[in-house]
Amino acid sequence: GENVEQHPSTLSVQEGDSAVIKCTYSDSASNYFPWYKQELGKGPQLIIDIRSNVGEKKDQRIAVTLNKTAKHFSLHITETQPEDSAVYFCAATGGFKTIFGAGTRLFVKA
Amino acid sequence: DTAVSQTPKYLVTQMGNDKSIKCEQNLGHDTMYWYKQDSKKFLKIMFSYNNKELIINETVPNRFSPKSPDKAHLNLHINSLELGDSAVYFCASSQGTTSDQPQHFGDGTRLSIL
Repeated sequence: GENVEQHPSTLSVQEGDSAVIKCTYSDSASNYFPWYKQELGKGPQLIIDIRSNVGEKKDQRIAVTLNKTAKHFSLHITETQPEDSAVYFCAATGGFKTIFGAGTRLFVKA
Repeated sequence: DTAVSQTPKYLVTQMGNDKSIKCEQNLGHDTMYWYKQDSKKFLKIMFSYNNKELIINETVPNRFSPKSPDKAHLNLHINSLELGDSAVYFCASSQGTTSDQPQHFGDGTRLSIL
């Protein structure tokens, strides 16, 4: 069945450094790739998304890249801050169903 | 002015009981979802409704029964609760009829079975 793999499961960086989270997906019909941030005690919140007709998208310190041929997409956070500490989920959507990755717990050390 | 609100936030109950979780969205979205998040944070779709019609029903035990009285509400009723049902349940909504739109999540209901 459809699957989304996400790496790493845990990522610890120093404040100001960059963080990169990578995902691969199996369903070639997937055409929408959102990223969600989940803070403690809250629901996931969309931070950026990309569609299959675009290779890269940037929003201030956050960027996402997509390689449809390789079925890879990645989240890049630059100049990390302590408030970036959270669990990040990638997801891939085709048709009616969204498949989430297993999540990456990001720690940003001050 | 909460967009997706679910109640209760916490639910502690005994094995074998029946309980309900309510969800409402004020975004005017057409599609609503229920997800289960386990202790390892894994998010799994349970159900999806579009304009009160069921469109996704994953391999969820039939003890779980969603009900959508109108497109702004999607409630989840669980019969004969089991220990393995302990998790955080999230309601979400999105615009349109397919999943290729951002989903807006509630803050979750933490269900603990004693």
